[in-house]
Amino acid sequence: GESVGLHLPTLSVQEGDNSIINCAYSNSASDYFIWYKQESGKGPQFIIDIRSNMDKRQGQRVTVLLNKTVKHLSLQIAATQPGDSAVYFCAERSNYQLIWGAGTKLIIKP
Amino acid sequence: DTEVTQTPKHLVMGMTNKKSLKCEQHMGHRAMYWYKQKAKKPPELMFVYSYEKLSINESVPSRFSPECPNSSLLNLHLHALQPEDSALYLCASSPGQGPGGYTFGSGTRLTVV
Repeated sequence: GESVGLHLPTLSVQEGDNSIINCAYSNSASDYFIWYKQESGKGPQFIIDIRSNMDKRQGQRVTVLLNKTVKHLSLQIAATQPGDSAVYFCAERSNYQLIWGAGTKLIIKP
Repeated sequence: DTEVTQTPKHLVMGMTNKKSLKCEQHMGHRAMYWYKQKAKKPPELMFVYSYEKLSINESVPSRFSPECPNSSLLNLHLHALQPEDSALYLCASSPGQGPGGYTFGSGTRLTVV
């Protein structure tokens, strides 16, 4: 997802399909990246992280891929479920501070 | 206890009011944060406390005043706010000041009228 002003990028996925949420980060010196999930009315919830010396990391039903050449981060969610509906934020650590991406809203179609 | 608890969940205040937001964690985390989040936007860092001392103030107006009474508590005192300050205010904590391992509270939905 990329910032497009006031409109939050949206991804609609059929229930049971895989979801891929993308993020372009800004600083090639960033050494740590995190994906957060934020459901309506709640605070951001940690999903998965990855350090810059890795290309891929897997969790339960989620995989994060890091391509440092093009400064791109992606979150893959396998077998998407209704409970995955949320806004997903990527964040990069740069100079000991978090820089957040714009967010992507994931909508699950029944 | 693996939670960050924020109170109140909702707050409506007038522009002349004084109110406080509260945040509590019992995970032994030594860094605590206040963030402001507007609708459809990512959280924006306001303040960072590390070992109960204010370490980062992101040029926040003085009508927002943070306080860290002890390692488990973080307050945000509000005075003479403007309608544009209406937002979701999030508290987070982490073991150290580096941003890894953040735990967020559910936030206080603030409306300034």
